[in-house]
Amino acid sequence: ELKVEQNPLFLSMQEGKNYTIYCNYSTTSDRLYWYRQDPGKSLESLFVLLSNGAVKQEGRLMASLDTKARLSTLHITAAVHDLSATYFCAPGRLETSGSRLTFGEGTQLTVNP
Amino acid sequence: SQTIHQWPATLVQPVGSPLSLECTVEGTSNPNLYWYRQAAGRGLQLLFYSVGIGQISSEVPQNLSASRPQDRQFILSSKKLLLSDSGFYLCAWSVPLPGDRTDTQYFGPGTRLTVL
Repeated sequence: ELKVEQNPLFLSMQEGKNYTIYCNYSTTSDRLYWYRQDPGKSLESLFVLLSNGAVKQEGRLMASLDTKARLSTLHITAAVHDLSATYFCAPGRLETSGSRLTFGEGTQLTVNP
Repeated sequence: SQTIHQWPATLVQPVGSPLSLECTVEGTSNPNLYWYRQAAGRGLQLLFYSVGIGQISSEVPQNLSASRPQDRQFILSSKKLLLSDSGFYLCAWSVPLPGDRTDTQYFGPGTRLTVL
């Protein structure tokens, strides 16, 4: 059974600062997704990482994947208030029935002025 | 472009009552469809997924069931709700394409269910 551990679970940071969210998973996966969820809302896809060493960047967020270490990171650069949300990682496997994802517990990020 | 709808958006039901949540997808054909549940402050738990009409796979044994009567319609049901069924129910779709390993799942707006 695939287990996913995100840390930290809660993160409060000041605007302008940098920080990294970590996602560890227990068994081999061939892809990893990052999603964002605003309070009371649905999930929005941020990144999909498909190979070892993959790096994706969008604005102030950068995601990377190390399949050998079973680790993905989401790095936040010069945080702004609009980034306040909960971030989920979800490693998965592509099967004949589609991708099966296992979600972490999420990291609740609060960016303070 | 593709869109996904869920209804109702909010539902309050007494224990022991039946449940029917609906999800429809527009703008795509033969999607994979998924039902997830999110407990308050937690991650998502996959409940059911479907690769085609009438094809349902269950991930977690429980008092819920799912059906896919049409290509782009996915229904989550229960005959008798329990208190523990409260949560945020999210439907998602994906379309795996040949040669494209991305297969991102896109989520609907969700239904917030409270069982009293």
